[in-house]
Amino acid sequence: EVQLLESGGGLVQPGGSLRLSCAASGLTFSSHAMSWVRQAPGKGLEWVSGISGSGDNTYYAGSVRGRFTISRDNFKNTLYLQMNSLRAEDTAVYYCAKDDGIAVTGTLDYRGQGTLVTVSS
Amino acid sequence: DIQMTQSPSSLSASVGDRVTITCRASQSISNYLTWYQHKAGKAPKLLIYTASSLQSGVPSRFSGSGSGTEFTLTISSLQPEDFAAYYCQQTYSIPLTFGGGTKVEIK
Repeated sequence: EVQLLESGGGLVQPGGSLRLSCAASGLTFSSHAMSWVRQAPGKGLEWVSGISGSGDNTYYAGSVRGRFTISRDNFKNTLYLQMNSLRAEDTAVYYCAKDDGIAVTGTLDYRGQGTLVTVSS
Repeated sequence: DIQMTQSPSSLSASVGDRVTITCRASQSISNYLTWYQHKAGKAPKLLIYTASSLQSGVPSRFSGSGSGTEFTLTISSLQPEDFAAYYCQQTYSIPLTFGGGTKVEIK
């Protein structure tokens, strides 16, 4: 069974940094692109970033480009999201999701409960 | 970026009702559309991909239709476990974008 376990969330001050992790099991990790999607309190879903199966291609929403960096370690079956220069509007539950194939197609399969990031002083 | 607009933003319905949710794209996206169900505290669940293909394991009371700029998600007979938020998402181009969501509540 595919499992995705997000971790690394917490309380951080504005301007601070945080690194999220997503540990994957039950799949051939390198065969799947991955994405991060978030949900701010009381708001809808927002796609944040995606990465191809090889890690060679990365993509970002405009709201995080230049501040967030997505990466993956296919030997550790783990996806990361390095978040810098955090703002209050980045407060959200962050979900990782696996894509249908090796390229980012956007057909996402979520398995985790998410990890909460709170940006506040 | 492609804007996705869902309507209604919320609705109240009874068990057994037929429910239809509409999603419109700001430009043609062919059939590159997915639908998700999301319950509080849980992972979003993929229901429909490429506008009308039912994800494995999803009950057949869920169906999707449309192409171009207008799409619908239909629940033919609402069940108690279907009370949740529903989101459309275009997969035509990056950045991937979601509709604002439709919250289906118990009448």
